[in-house]
Amino acid sequence: AQSVTQPDIHITVSEGASLELRCNYSYGATPYLFWYVQSPGQGLQLLLKYFSGDTLVQGIKGFEAEFKRSQSSFNLRKPSVHWSDAAEYFCAVGALIQGAQKLVFGQGTRLTINP
Amino acid sequence: GAGVSQSPSNKVTEKGKDVELRCDPISGHTALYWYRQSLGQGLEFLIYFQGNSAPDKSGLPSDRFSAERTGGSVSTLTIQRTQQEDSAVYLCASSSVGVEQYFGPGTRLTVT
Repeated sequence: AQSVTQPDIHITVSEGASLELRCNYSYGATPYLFWYVQSPGQGLQLLLKYFSGDTLVQGIKGFEAEFKRSQSSFNLRKPSVHWSDAAEYFCAVGALIQGAQKLVFGQGTRLTINP
Repeated sequence: GAGVSQSPSNKVTEKGKDVELRCDPISGHTALYWYRQSLGQGLEFLIYFQGNSAPDKSGLPSDRFSAERTGGSVSTLTIQRTQQEDSAVYLCASSSVGVEQYFGPGTRLTVT
């Protein structure tokens, strides 16, 4: 069965500092991997996805993530955070089932930005 | 274009009452998904539809939960005899075949 672990429940960084959010997954086949962001009171917005090919993927809002099969990881990074990046971030793994895709989410990492 | 919409945005109900939550997916998306987000359980998959059929109902928490989709479009999630543990945000998402899911804003359900 698929599973996702986000080891950090809460991270605080200073504005302008670099960011890395960790994600480890468990899945028997080649995974489809996603990062979503959720601002307070909002739905989930897709930041980026990995299906195949280049293991370094670029997303919206200056985020990137690197798929490392040997480590079963898909960590999210940003070189310089902005106050507007404060939100909750979810890593997810998906599997195609009969043309649809069931997502399993990690528990989320809440990001706080210090001015 | 229009995204996924959900209604109502907030619902307060008394324990034991039935509730219906509605999801309007992005036009043309064949797959539709329901998830639940609660403090204790995080984001849980509930059910998905491919067209009007639901191949996988394994995520529904109990037989008080049911869902249907008609015309390959609108879906309704029904919770009968609501309990306080049903309080959560119910999220709907839709997708084309094999690609990423787009989420709606959710319905916040409070059972008093």
